[in-house]
Amino acid sequence: ELKVEQNPLFLSMQEGKNYTIYCNYSTTSDRLYWYRQDPGKSLESLFVLLSNGAVKQEGRLMASLDTKARLSTLHITAAVHDLSATYFCAVVYGGATNKLIFGTGTLLAVQP
Amino acid sequence: DAGITQSPRYKITETGRQVTLMCHQTWSHSYMFWYRQDLGHGLRLIYYSAAADITDKGEVPDGYVVSRSKTENFPLTLESATRSQTSVYFCASRDPGMWEQFFGPGTRLTVL
Repeated sequence: ELKVEQNPLFLSMQEGKNYTIYCNYSTTSDRLYWYRQDPGKSLESLFVLLSNGAVKQEGRLMASLDTKARLSTLHITAAVHDLSATYFCAVVYGGATNKLIFGTGTLLAVQP
Repeated sequence: DAGITQSPRYKITETGRQVTLMCHQTWSHSYMFWYRQDLGHGLRLIYYSAAADITDKGEVPDGYVVSRSKTENFPLTLESATRSQTSVYFCASRDPGMWEQFFGPGTRLTVL
């Protein structure tokens, strides 16, 4: 059974600081997604990581994937208040269907 | 409207009643998905569909029924609603030639 664990579940950080969110998964998968969700809103796609060693960056966020370690990281550089949201990783299973197993999410609160 | 829409956006119903949540997408994506989101669980897949008239169970299908007579619509029915089905429901779609999965705005369902 594929399980996805994120940590931390809650992260309070100050503006300007750096931090990393971790996403571990239990069985083989070579594709992983990161989503952002604002309160009361839908999910916004941030990154799709398609292979081992993939690294993608957008603004202050950088995501990487290590399929051998079954680990993805979402690194936040010099956090700003606008990054406050819940972040989810989701691991692909089910072949071509591209079904997703989601982590429980990390609630990020960036304090001024 | 272009994209993926869900209706209703909010619904309150009583235990034992039948409820249908609608999902409509304008992209003609062949894959469509239904998720529920609950605190502490992230999103969990209820049902998915690879094409019209092709549906299959996800992680948590019990108590739900789906149909897909047209590519653009994927309704989710709770045949006899229970309080444990109080949740936020998200519909999503994906083109088989693309990796990204697009999410609808969600339906907040409360079962009293």
